[in-house]
Amino acid sequence: GAGVSQSPSNKVTEKGKDVELRCDPISGHTALYWYRQRLGQGLEFLIYFQGNSAPDKSGLPSDRFSAERTGESVSTLTIQRTQQEDSAVYLCASSLGTSLQETQYFGPGTRLLVL
Amino acid sequence: RKEVEQDPGPFNVPEGATVAFNCTYSNSASQSFFWYRQDCRKEPKLLMSVYSSGNEDGRFTAQLNRASQYISLLIRDSKLSDSATYLCVVTTSGTYKYIFGTGTRLKVLA
Repeated sequence: GAGVSQSPSNKVTEKGKDVELRCDPISGHTALYWYRQRLGQGLEFLIYFQGNSAPDKSGLPSDRFSAERTGESVSTLTIQRTQQEDSAVYLCASSLGTSLQETQYFGPGTRLLVL
Repeated sequence: RKEVEQDPGPFNVPEGATVAFNCTYSNSASQSFFWYRQDCRKEPKLLMSVYSSGNEDGRFTAQLNRASQYISLLIRDSKLSDSATYLCVVTTSGTYKYIFGTGTRLKVLA
C-alpha cells in the first residue's frame, strides 16, 4: 500500500518568502508528526497531531512556523518569512494510533534550501 | 545534557564483524525504546523495538538496561548492506514526543 508522501521533494526559496510543505500520511493513521533534520544532525521534533488537533506544539522553533491538519489526513507545515537557518530536511511521519509503542512511518522528506 | 545520547562514530568494521552501539537516555520516566535505521539522504525506518527482556531479530539483538538508562544494539556477521546511521529513539509517558538521538554511523568494509 501507499506510504507517507511529502511534497515538494525539494524547495529552494529566497530569504523572507513563505513556504508551505505538504504531508499525506498513510490512510487510517490518526497520529502525524513533523520533524526537522539539519545537515549531519539528528531529528528535531516540531509538532504532533492526533486527528486534526495538535496537543503538542512545543517543538515549533518560532512563531514563524505553523501547521494544520484537515480531514484527519493531509497536513501542511508553513514557514513564514523564511531564514537561512530554516534550511533542512522536513520529515513527516504517521502512526496508526497514539500509543507510544507505535511504529512511525516516515515520508521521504522535503529538502528546503533558503538562499 | 541531551535527552538521548549516542556515539556518532563512524564505526568502520570489516564484513563479518560483530559491532555494538550504546545509547543513553536521561529521563528515568522513559517508556518505549526503538532503533531506527537511516540510509544516506533517506528517511528513517524502524529496525526494531526494544523490550525490557531484550529481543533478537536475525543478526540484530537489542537490549534495555533501565537501571543504567541505556539501550544497546548488537549486529552480528555484519554485511555491506548494514552500512547506515542507526538512530536511538526514546518516548516518555505523558508526552507524545519521540526523542531521536543524533545517530551512530556504521560503515561495513569489504
